[in-house]
Amino acid sequence: RKEVEQDPGPFNVPEGATVAFNCTYSNSASQSFFWYRQDCRKEPKLLMSVYSSGNEDGRFTAQLNRASQYISLLIRDSKLSDSATYLCVVSYSGNTPLVFGKGTRLSVIA
Amino acid sequence: EPEVTQTPSHQVTQMGQEVILRCVPISNHLYFYWYRQILGQKVEFLVSFYNNEISEKSEIFDDQFSVERPDGSNFTLKIRSTKLEDSAMYFCASRFDRVEAFFGQGTRLTVV
Repeated sequence: RKEVEQDPGPFNVPEGATVAFNCTYSNSASQSFFWYRQDCRKEPKLLMSVYSSGNEDGRFTAQLNRASQYISLLIRDSKLSDSATYLCVVSYSGNTPLVFGKGTRLSVIA
Repeated sequence: EPEVTQTPSHQVTQMGQEVILRCVPISNHLYFYWYRQILGQKVEFLVSFYNNEISEKSEIFDDQFSVERPDGSNFTLKIRSTKLEDSAMYFCASRFDRVEAFFGQGTRLTVV
C-alpha cells in the first residue's frame, strides 16, 4: 500500500475558480503534515503546515482528518500563478524524514 | 531570508565516475536530508543526518552512496560509481526541530 496517495490530476481550472485536492496517508501514527508546492524542475517549497484544527493562509485552507487519515487543500480564487504541482507530505514522528505523495498537478487557465 | 544552497546546479558525468554534490544547510538547523527526484516521479528520501551521523537511510542509499559534514557547514553526498539510473534531481533539505523542512534548489545529475 502506498504511504501517501494523491490524485495526480491534472486539474485544469479557470482563473477565479475554487479547487480542492485530497490526500490520504497509510500510517496512523503520522504526526506532521504539510502541503508543498513544486514548479517544474524546481525544489519543493513549503506552502503550509496542516494542523489538527485546520488552518487558513489567505486563499489557501488546509484540513486534517486523523480518523480518516485524510488531508485536504482548498484554493479559492485561483490565479494563473497557482499553476504548479501540489505535494502532500507526511512525517511520521519528530524529525523522521518527510514522505512525499506523487503530487497533484494544477493548471489555472485564463 | 536564510536558505539552503546547493552546488553545482547541473552536473554531467560519465558512468562509473564519482560525483560529489554539495549543500550548505541553514545555519541553525539540526537535521539534514538528501532526497532525489527522477524526472516525472515523486520525491524520494535517501538519507537523514543528525549529530554528525546517519540517523536513517532508505533502500536506495546503498554502498555506492555516502554523506559527510566535513566542516560544520557543508553537507555532501558522494556517489562512488555512478550508474545511468542515478540521473535525477538531488535535493538537500534541512530542518530545525520537528517543523517543516526547507529545500535547496537542487542539483540536476545527468549520467551519460
